[in-house]
Amino acid sequence: SQQGEEDPQALSIQEGENATMNCSYKTSINNLQWYRQNSGRGLVHLILIRSNEREKHSGRLRVTLDTSKKSSSLLITASRAADTASYFCATDAAGAGGTSYGKLTFGQGTILTVHP
Amino acid sequence: NAGVTQTPKFRVLKTGQSMTLLCAQDMNHEYMYWYRQDPGMGLRLIHYSVGEGTTAKGEVPDGYNVSRLKKQNFLLGLESAAPSQTSVYFCASSYHPGALSGKINNEQFFGPGTRLTVL
Repeated sequence: SQQGEEDPQALSIQEGENATMNCSYKTSINNLQWYRQNSGRGLVHLILIRSNEREKHSGRLRVTLDTSKKSSSLLITASRAADTASYFCATDAAGAGGTSYGKLTFGQGTILTVHP
Repeated sequence: NAGVTQTPKFRVLKTGQSMTLLCAQDMNHEYMYWYRQDPGMGLRLIHYSVGEGTTAKGEVPDGYNVSRLKKQNFLLGLESAAPSQTSVYFCASSYHPGALSGKINNEQFFGPGTRLTVL
């Protein structure tokens, strides 16, 4: 079963606008990660936020994490046509005293289309 | 560095045929993973390995076998392909969580994928 549920499933915006994608999950986590996938390609890691962090920035990306609500959001500011891709959240679930062996559980993704 | 590479890129099989997908990484990563991605879905973990000579089952292991004889290679085998195994297969690798500055950092590096069709 999928740990992460992403919302919206698809998002269409104009260049220059901000894009916000949300991710909800079910169990306690060690960290939450966001990945990007261009059509027909492998996934590329964007950003990792640990369970004890609330917000993180990387360039035009801003990620928030609310562990009490088991949710995260990814904000892409001043979007560009080149940001058109699918975006996935992935959770590293906290085991009961054991290691997760780095395993990630991926959501179904948000398809972002940025129109020039 | 080439990163994570996968061969072949595309393959068409008939039901019942067998094949092996090869994943190679040159980043000296301990951990390696095989996923499948189906239309409109995220990635589902098939098998993974935490080091040379070790393998373990993921979420959807049935119908697949794996081997990790060398640290840099992770092979995924289909002994008797079925149409339900039509998918795009991705390999990924990562450092041992906690290997970097003592903090958990299991960012995964992905290969370009193998598109498999089973007729």
